[in-house]
Amino acid sequence: ETGVTQTPRHLVMGMTNKKSLKCEQHLGHNAMYWYKQSAKKPLELMFVYNFKEQTENNSVPSRFSPECPNSSHLFLHLHTLQPEDSALYLCASIPMAPMVAKNIQYFGAGTRLSVL
Amino acid sequence: GENVEQHPSTLSVQEGDSAVIKCTYSDSASNYFPWYKQELGKRPQLIIDIRSNVGEKKDQRIAVTLNKTAKHFSLHITETQPEDSAVYFCAAGNTGNQFYFGTGTSLTVIP
Repeated sequence: ETGVTQTPRHLVMGMTNKKSLKCEQHLGHNAMYWYKQSAKKPLELMFVYNFKEQTENNSVPSRFSPECPNSSHLFLHLHTLQPEDSALYLCASIPMAPMVAKNIQYFGAGTRLSVL
Repeated sequence: GENVEQHPSTLSVQEGDSAVIKCTYSDSASNYFPWYKQELGKRPQLIIDIRSNVGEKKDQRIAVTLNKTAKHFSLHITETQPEDSAVYFCAAGNTGNQFYFGTGTSLTVIP
């Protein structure tokens, strides 16, 4: 266990549903990430939050909406998704950003999302 | 932006042999290069990393080398064991806390 917890672990949703993914860490980390992992593709960076402020939005469609209410929690709100959005969604965090010496990423176990 | 390429995409070796995975990057601002191991259905786990002020780092059977001039870095696994079978990802990170990943190498160690 890395101390980064993601829920749910598996999610099946229809294209008209609204759901949310949750990521939680109590490691004192200050930067949190959402990645999308599809088969045979590199991990795709979606969003980065540093000290609760969004610092990266990697051209992600608006049907994905992140929320970071505090430095320990990160959400990914989903609505009107497409089948091609089916993937493993991974959350990660790093301690004491932006110090270079501390930028080791800790990953959650991921949420396996299937969009029907 | 950064572009990380990783080769090979699949690699099979006999138990006890060595495995080498290579990555290249494009952005000279990248200064941190971690390697992750991801077993089927599990999260990526950091196995070794190297920073731009170091040319080589070793941890038991795993070593990483970095050539900043050529912008490439490699993972070396010696005396491979079946439990080394997994997908390995390289990544390049910068001081902006952005990380860019390679496409992964599926390593199979044949007993």
